[in-house]
Amino acid sequence: DSGVTQTPKHLITATGQRVTLRCSPRSGDLSVYWYQQSLDQGLQFLIQYYNGEERAKGNILERFSAQQFPDLHSELNLSSLELGDSALYFCASSSGRNTDTQYFGPGTRLTVL
Amino acid sequence: GDSVTQMEGPVTLSEEAFLTINCTYTATGYPSLFWYVQYPGEGLQLLLKATKADDKGSNKGFEATYRKETTSFHLEKGSVQVSDSAVYFCALTLYNFNKFYFGSGTKLNVKP
Repeated sequence: DSGVTQTPKHLITATGQRVTLRCSPRSGDLSVYWYQQSLDQGLQFLIQYYNGEERAKGNILERFSAQQFPDLHSELNLSSLELGDSALYFCASSSGRNTDTQYFGPGTRLTVL
Repeated sequence: GDSVTQMEGPVTLSEEAFLTINCTYTATGYPSLFWYVQYPGEGLQLLLKATKADDKGSNKGFEATYRKETTSFHLEKGSVQVSDSAVYFCALTLYNFNKFYFGSGTKLNVKP
């Protein structure tokens, strides 16, 4: 158990809808990272937050957004969903702004029908 | 750009066989290198890491050496077990540690 929690575990929705994925980092960790894992694209870095502020952006679509709250949990919002958004979404956390080791949550499996 | 390339799987071995999973990287600076493992239905777990050239990371019988001259970080284990069946990801991060680049993953199947 990494100490990172993600909810929900599974999510099934329809095209055009909007969903919110939630992540709670390990106790004491200030950085949260979001990743998308799909069969054809592998593991793609989406975005990082550190202590409530956006720190780095990867391959995140404009339809997706994220935030980190004062209690350090983070939410990833996915809107105008398309079939191709079906994937596993992982959250990871690390202790510092520039810390190398990330600890991954169990993931949320999103299925868009 | 920065990237990681690892051998395609699946790799199928018998128990107690020797394992090598190749990983090479391209980086504009001096990266830290990692191997992560993903067991079925779970998230990624850090397996080992190396932060500078010639460093050897090791854990649970797995090891990998950071080779700057060949830009490689191959994962090895002398005797695999059925419980090692998983997907293995090579990854790198650069100086400011705010982006990770993952390889595509290599699935390992170990048969009894």
